[in-house]
Amino acid sequence: EAEVAQSPRYKITEKSQAVAFWCDPISGHATLYWYRQILGQGPELLVQFQDESVVDDSQLPKDRFSAERLKGVDSTLKIQPAELGDSAMYLCASSLGDPRGGTQYFGPGTRLTVL
Amino acid sequence: DQQVKQNSPSLSVQEGRISILNCDYTNSMFDYFLWYKKYPAEGPTFLISISSIKDKNEDGRFTVFLNKSAKHLSLHIVPSQPGDSAVYFCAASGRGSSNTGKLIFGQGTTLQVKP
Repeated sequence: EAEVAQSPRYKITEKSQAVAFWCDPISGHATLYWYRQILGQGPELLVQFQDESVVDDSQLPKDRFSAERLKGVDSTLKIQPAELGDSAMYLCASSLGDPRGGTQYFGPGTRLTVL
Repeated sequence: DQQVKQNSPSLSVQEGRISILNCDYTNSMFDYFLWYKKYPAEGPTFLISISSIKDKNEDGRFTVFLNKSAKHLSLHIVPSQPGDSAVYFCAASGRGSSNTGKLIFGQGTTLQVKP
């Protein structure tokens, strides 16, 4: 069964350092999402791509976060500099077809701890 | 403003009995609803969905009910099994000119099924 791949699974960093997360969506899925989940809360969308284009980045803290999907396949989310409040699970999801393609399938996530 | 709410942080049921997880929403533009299950250190796994044109959708032991007038949906698991113990998230997406398929998640309900 096809899955969304993410790496690393766990990342510990010190504040003010840079971190990067990678996501490879299910093959053929045009829409890719990055979510952040803080413990005790539901996931919140950071950025959404349709192929290589950003569809929604309204909740992305653009002063420190950046995301790219250069070839419309895999994607990288970067934080620079990391802050203590960035400690969370970062989830990548993908869906087939247009932005309203329905079901989103999630990867295993990257657990970020900022010290 | 929390548009999707799961007011019960936790639920405990006996194996073999019914589990009922509830979710309320405030945005009348939502027209597609999903339930995800999440184990610790893993990403959410899609369980079942329902469109606003329906009031019930069933898949094996899982049934989702939608009450549009009350802006309420529920997930029924019958019979409950110990392997169902996880965090369950309700999510919604909606119509509108700016709609991008973005999912709005509730806070989650932790289900414990006791043997």
